[in-house]
Amino acid sequence: QSALTQPPSASGSPGQSVTISCTGTSSDVGGYNYVSWYQQHPGKAPKLMIYEVDKRPSGVPDRFSGSKSGNTASLTVSGLQAEDEADYYCASDAGSNNFGVFGGGTKLTVL
Amino acid sequence: EVQLVESGGGLVKPGGSLRLSCATSGFTFSNAWMSWVRQTPGKGLEWVGLIKSRTDGGTTDYAALVKGRFTISKDDSKNTLYLQMNSLKTEDTAVYYCTTLPITIFGVVIIPDYWGQGTLVTVSS
Repeated sequence: QSALTQPPSASGSPGQSVTISCTGTSSDVGGYNYVSWYQQHPGKAPKLMIYEVDKRPSGVPDRFSGSKSGNTASLTVSGLQAEDEADYYCASDAGSNNFGVFGGGTKLTVL
Repeated sequence: EVQLVESGGGLVKPGGSLRLSCATSGFTFSNAWMSWVRQTPGKGLEWVGLIKSRTDGGTTDYAALVKGRFTISKDDSKNTLYLQMNSLKTEDTAVYYCTTLPITIFGVVIIPDYWGQGTLVTVSS
């Protein structure tokens, strides 16, 4: 499968909201209700921030939210904080017994 | 709390072998499907392969780029996942992560949820 398409960069000022998109096809994002988002700080492991399109694991601030429309999933970070500056990756289910598909990553800069 | 701790990375020459380990805690390892994912600056996140739980057959599946060279195994008595890498190539240079795969009411979804801290494998002469 081809990688999911994410913008290479996004930015916002502290307190603002920013939305990162993740575009796939009907064979992945559009066809299944399991999209995850990961946050990765430099030199650190990816951390699960959103799963199953819009669910937050325990401990993830409610400033992070996920949604999906058609073949595009989105991650919104509200009330931007300096510590939100990181790389963000999406991943989508691609059907039973198929490896899921990853996005190429978006570097979020807090201005 | 789910914890995954990889070890075993290092510098190896092309054609060489290396075995990575992933020690786990905080969940029922014997029931888990596990995977290895690698990351390079140029290629982003890339699947290596996965292993199913024993009750689901304990079988493995691999990405095309590593099939026939890499082997994933798990020791449920030690709560540890392994990745045996043979015939290593320079393009296998990456940070290797072990991950859990989420179990939903519809079955296991093959995208990671929890990740270890990663271990760097460098293949160079």
